[in-house]
Amino acid sequence: GQQLNQSPQSMFIQEGEDVSMNCTSSSIFNTWLWYKQDPGEGPVLLIALYKAGELTSNGRLTAQFGITRKDSFLNISASIPSDVGIYFCAGRIIQGAQKLVFGQGTRLTINP
Amino acid sequence: GAVVSQHPSRVICKSGTSVKIECRSLDFQATTMFWYRQFPKQSLMLMATSNEGSKATYEQGVEKDKFLINHASLTLSTLTVTSAHPEDSSFYICSARIRVKETQYFGPGTRLLVL
Repeated sequence: GQQLNQSPQSMFIQEGEDVSMNCTSSSIFNTWLWYKQDPGEGPVLLIALYKAGELTSNGRLTAQFGITRKDSFLNISASIPSDVGIYFCAGRIIQGAQKLVFGQGTRLTINP
Repeated sequence: GAVVSQHPSRVICKSGTSVKIECRSLDFQATTMFWYRQFPKQSLMLMATSNEGSKATYEQGVEKDKFLINHASLTLSTLTVTSAHPEDSSFYICSARIRVKETQYFGPGTRLLVL
């Protein structure tokens, strides 16, 4: 089936540092979604991307839909303790398709 | 963003009993709802896709008689774990897709523990 390769799997950073994570695939995607999941909670949608090349910000978060439509990245600037959690990318291959394909997640840990 | 609720948030049951989990879209109509299962430190595993008014589509390896899904209205889907066993213990998360949009919102999850 379709695969999304998300990296890195985990990150250990100092508070205030910038963070970057990405997802790549051999398939072409029409939609990219980035979620954050806190322990014991459901994923929360951070940013949704619908067009190749699209760059969208949500506060300190910025995400881009790759030009090739096979990748996306998420950046977090000036990290703070509440950024700790697991970040998932998810994509939809065909316009209007039902299923999302998920990355394996990036676990972010921040040292104060 | 859109709000999806799930109830209960946590349930403990005895082996052999059935457990029903409700998923509601609170401020939008969801023609499609999804049920996921998540094991510790893993990504979300899609169990089934539920369209309002029709039978759910189950992923390969998911027993439809074990995990009964009903999507009776545009705002409610239910997952019933029948004759639950300890190996069914997991974190179950529902998700709803907004009509005409490509975005998908998740509920807060239900932690099921079968003794």
